[in-house]
Amino acid sequence: KQEVTQIPAALSVPEGENLVLNCSFTDSAIYNLQWFRQDPGKGLTSLLLIQSSQREQTSGRLNASLDKSSGRSTLYIAASQPGDSATYLCAADFGNEKLTFGTGTRLTIIP
Amino acid sequence: GAGVSQSPSNKVTEKGKDVELRCDPISGHTALYWYRQSLGQGLEFLIYFQGNSAPDKSGLPSDRFSAERTGGSVSTLTIQRTQQEDSAVYLCASSSQSGGVSNQPQHFGDGTRLSIL
Repeated sequence: KQEVTQIPAALSVPEGENLVLNCSFTDSAIYNLQWFRQDPGKGLTSLLLIQSSQREQTSGRLNASLDKSSGRSTLYIAASQPGDSATYLCAADFGNEKLTFGTGTRLTIIP
Repeated sequence: GAGVSQSPSNKVTEKGKDVELRCDPISGHTALYWYRQSLGQGLEFLIYFQGNSAPDKSGLPSDRFSAERTGGSVSTLTIQRTQQEDSAVYLCASSSQSGGVSNQPQHFGDGTRLSIL
């Protein structure tokens, strides 16, 4: 069964620190992996998409990596800010166009 | 519009009633997806439309759920004879993915929060 896991479920970090969010998946035959953020009561905002042929993608203070052989992706956030507080979800496309989601990591940046 | 639009944003209805949820995708996006987000289940895929192809309905939880997409644009998700376990946030997404290698991100609306009394 194709599954996506995110640990921990919640994380608190002081403002200004760099942090890493983790995502693991069970099937190395992944087509792409997408990272989203979700604010309370809102939909999902796409942050980064990494294709299976890529190892990382960067956007501003965000950097996402993909290691298919180990079944892992990480989202690195540099110089965290209170506005980064949200739930972060990773989702994998295993080749059937539909996303399989992790359960998310709820991130709190402490001012 | 600039993003995916869903309506209504909130819906409260009595058990046994039928409900219709609407999704307006980003203009020009050929792919449209419905997902459900509920406590304890996380985000689950429901149905996927791609152009004029037959939809992938493999995620629909029962035959009370159906969806259509008219004119390759607006989509409606219908739940008949609603049950309390149908209470969830229903999210719609679209992408410019046109089949083949998946390399286009999915863009989500804010969802419809459905509460069944």
